[in-house]
Amino acid sequence: AQSVTQPDIHITVSEGASLELRCNYSYGATPYLFWYVQSPGQGLQLLLKYFSGDTLVQGIKGFEAEFKRSQSSFNLRKPSVHWSDAAEYFCAVGGAAGNKLTFGGGTRVLVKP
Amino acid sequence: SQTIHQWPATLVQPVGSPLSLECTVEGTSNPNLYWYRQAAGRGLQLLFYSVGIGQISSEVPQNLSASRPQDRQFILSSKKLLLSDSGFYLCAWTDRVDYGYTFGSGTRLTVV
Repeated sequence: AQSVTQPDIHITVSEGASLELRCNYSYGATPYLFWYVQSPGQGLQLLLKYFSGDTLVQGIKGFEAEFKRSQSSFNLRKPSVHWSDAAEYFCAVGGAAGNKLTFGGGTRVLVKP
Repeated sequence: SQTIHQWPATLVQPVGSPLSLECTVEGTSNPNLYWYRQAAGRGLQLLFYSVGIGQISSEVPQNLSASRPQDRQFILSSKKLLLSDSGFYLCAWTDRVDYGYTFGSGTRLTVV
């Protein structure tokens, strides 16, 4: 069975500081990995996705993520956070195109001025 | 381009009343469709998914049901709402070419 763990429920970071959100997955085949962001009261927006190739993936809003197969991880990073990055972030894993995704429990990011 | 519409945005319903939430997708055909729920402070729970008209798979047995009367229409229903049905309901779609979901803007349901 596939699963996703996001160890950090809450993270507080100062504006301008770097951010890293952890994601560990369990999947029996080649994983397809995703990061989504959700602002309060909104739907989820895709930040980036990884299928194959370069293990460092660039996304929207200045985010990037690195796939590490040996560690079953897909951590999300941003070098310098902005107040607008305060939101909840979800990591997800899936299989072939069209298959359902399994989501982690989410990490809520608070940004201090 | 593809778009997904979900309505209503907010809903307050009394316990025991019926429910109907609708989701439609435009700009694609034969999408896979999903209903998720977020309870307060919790993650995403997959409720139902559909790979075609009339084909519904239930992930969690509960007070809700889903239907897909048309290719791009997905409806979440209940005959009698419970307090525990309160939450944020999200519809999503994916096709068989691209990967990942596109989500609707969600419906905030409060059962009182």
